[in-house]
Amino acid sequence: DTGVSQDPRHKITKRGQNVTFRCDPISEHNRLYWYRQTLGQGPEFLTYFQNEAQLEKSRLLSDRFSAERPKGSFSTLEIQRTEQGDSAMYLCASSHSRGAGTDTQYFGPGTRLTVL
Amino acid sequence: GESVGLHLPTLSVQEGDNSIINCAYSNSASDYFIWYKQESGKGPQFIIDIRSNMDKRQGQRVTVLLNKTVKHLSLQIAATQPGDSAVYFCAENIGSSNTGKLIFGQGTTLQVKP
Repeated sequence: DTGVSQDPRHKITKRGQNVTFRCDPISEHNRLYWYRQTLGQGPEFLTYFQNEAQLEKSRLLSDRFSAERPKGSFSTLEIQRTEQGDSAMYLCASSHSRGAGTDTQYFGPGTRLTVL
Repeated sequence: GESVGLHLPTLSVQEGDNSIINCAYSNSASDYFIWYKQESGKGPQFIIDIRSNMDKRQGQRVTVLLNKTVKHLSLQIAATQPGDSAVYFCAENIGSSNTGKLIFGQGTTLQVKP
């Protein structure tokens, strides 16, 4: 399978714990995006990378959230001191940007986070 | 503010009929639009996209129509099949800003009755 992969698929944690999710984009895709989706809602943009540079962050990304893409390939999203309001599906998407216009984003299966 | 919305939360159709899912957007600067299909427990799956310099684009059994005058987008699915049952999202992007951010609507649930 050469699509976007995410790990883990499900994560249950207790309030106050730290969690880290991983995303592996489609090979050679230079852009990588993180979104959050709560039940019954559309995905909400969190942040995106072009290669290893983090180019935009949403206001939704509080100080407890940090994302990295150190080598321009896979990315990690860490949430520190989790709160019950962090419970959601965390989606990763990737695209191949040629520098002009908008590129098609392909999504992974998501990581379902439940904070108890 | 920016928003992308859908007119109906649930659409129920008979197998074999055509489906039309509608979407309204508010940002006139948006110039790229995508339809995604999301099945339960899965990530959104790309269906079809359209840029603002077009008003119609066709794929396999799907057609997207864009009316920039009234800021309306629709997805037509021909000969709807049970496998089409899912939540459908429209999303918009301001391509000229060269940001990858997509703004999604809330989704329409399509139910296909056998």
